[in-house]
Amino acid sequence: AQSVTQLDSQVPVFEEAPVELRCNYSSSVSVYLFWYVQYPNQGLQLLLKYLSGSTLVESINGFEAEFNKSQTSFHLRKPSVHISDTAEYFCAASLGGYSTLTFGKGTMLLVSP
Amino acid sequence: DGGITQSPKYLFRKEGQNVTLSCEQNLNHDAMYWYRQDPGQGLRLIYYSQIVNDFQKGDIAEGYSVSREKKESFPLTVTSAQKNPTAFYLCASSIVAGGWNEQFFGPGTRLTVL
Repeated sequence: AQSVTQLDSQVPVFEEAPVELRCNYSSSVSVYLFWYVQYPNQGLQLLLKYLSGSTLVESINGFEAEFNKSQTSFHLRKPSVHISDTAEYFCAASLGGYSTLTFGKGTMLLVSP
Repeated sequence: DGGITQSPKYLFRKEGQNVTLSCEQNLNHDAMYWYRQDPGQGLRLIYYSQIVNDFQKGDIAEGYSVSREKKESFPLTVTSAQKNPTAFYLCASSIVAGGWNEQFFGPGTRLTVL
């Protein structure tokens, strides 16, 4: 069975500090990985995705994630966060050829001045 | 503008009543999905449909039903058999079914059963 683990339910950080949100998935030969962001009382928006090729993927607003096959991880990072980055972040995966996504439980990023 | 609409945004119902949540998309996507979101639980798949007149159960289908009579529409009925229906419900779509495809999400419907 597919599983996606986000170890941190909340990550508090000060503005302009770096942040890492962790995501691990159950091992599989075939894997597609996604990070979505959700602002309060809204739907989810795609932040970035890994399908194949370069293991480092970037978003337009400064986030990046690295696919690490040996550690079965897809951690999300940003070198300097803004207040506006406060939101809930979900890691999702399609593993082993499944046509649906399995989501982690989410990490709430709380950025304070 | 293309997108996914869900209505209503907030819905209140009495215990024991069936309720239908609307989901419409004008993205010309073949695949559509319903998720349930509870605090600290992430998103859990209720039902999905890869094509008109076809749908499959997800991880938590008990107490829910769906139909897919039109490509644009995928309504979800929360029946009285669902033991704990109060939650935030999200509808999504993708070009075709397949784990590599980005899913686009609607704004959600918050259902409260009194």
